[in-house]
Amino acid sequence: EVQLVESGGGLVQRGGSLRLSCAASGFSFANFWMTWVRQAPGKGLEWVANIKQDGGEKYYVDSVEGRFTISRDNAKNSLYLQMNSLRVEDTAMYYCARGKYDNDPWGQGTLVTVSS
Amino acid sequence: QSALTQPPSASGSPGQSVTISCTGTSSDVGGYNYVSWYQHHPGKAPKLMIYEVIKRPSGVPDRFSGSKSGNTASLTVSGLQAEDEADYYCSSYAGSNERVFGGGTKLTVL
Repeated sequence: EVQLVESGGGLVQRGGSLRLSCAASGFSFANFWMTWVRQAPGKGLEWVANIKQDGGEKYYVDSVEGRFTISRDNAKNSLYLQMNSLRVEDTAMYYCARGKYDNDPWGQGTLVTVSS
Repeated sequence: QSALTQPPSASGSPGQSVTISCTGTSSDVGGYNYVSWYQHHPGKAPKLMIYEVIKRPSGVPDRFSGSKSGNTASLTVSGLQAEDEADYYCSSYAGSNERVFGGGTKLTVL
């Protein structure tokens, strides 16, 4: 079964850092672009970042550029999102998903709450 | 990177058809055939329903169909069923390796 499981969310103060992880199973992880998408409370989905199969290309939404870093470890079938200088507006459910132009499947998400 | 425009809500009775629109610009929806649609039941993982404007992943009922005209994409759900009640989001490639999502549409089955 193709599966993505996120972890690493939690409560953090403004200006703090968190590292999210996404464990992939059931498919050849190294063959796919991977993406992070978030959903703030009561809001819609927002594309955050994506990364090429070999990690050689990474792209970010403007609002996280310079603060967040997407990475992957193909040997561990894992995707990461290092989040620094967190802002209250970064509070959201963070989902990892397979694919670049469209995403399938998605994980269940991990909740990040940034307090002021 | 402006969000795509979707109606906040849509509704229909069981068996009816409903269409959800997704309006962007020539820089995203109108410029690329990389429009996708996602079904999201709260508390669950979003699910891909349509990709590349009109394609349906295996396992998605053929009651779901996609289309595009100019800068507006549409998702049509035919033969509405109770389990179709969910939030639906469109997404498009926006060039320069960026993606954009719509604000979401809450579909209610009356």
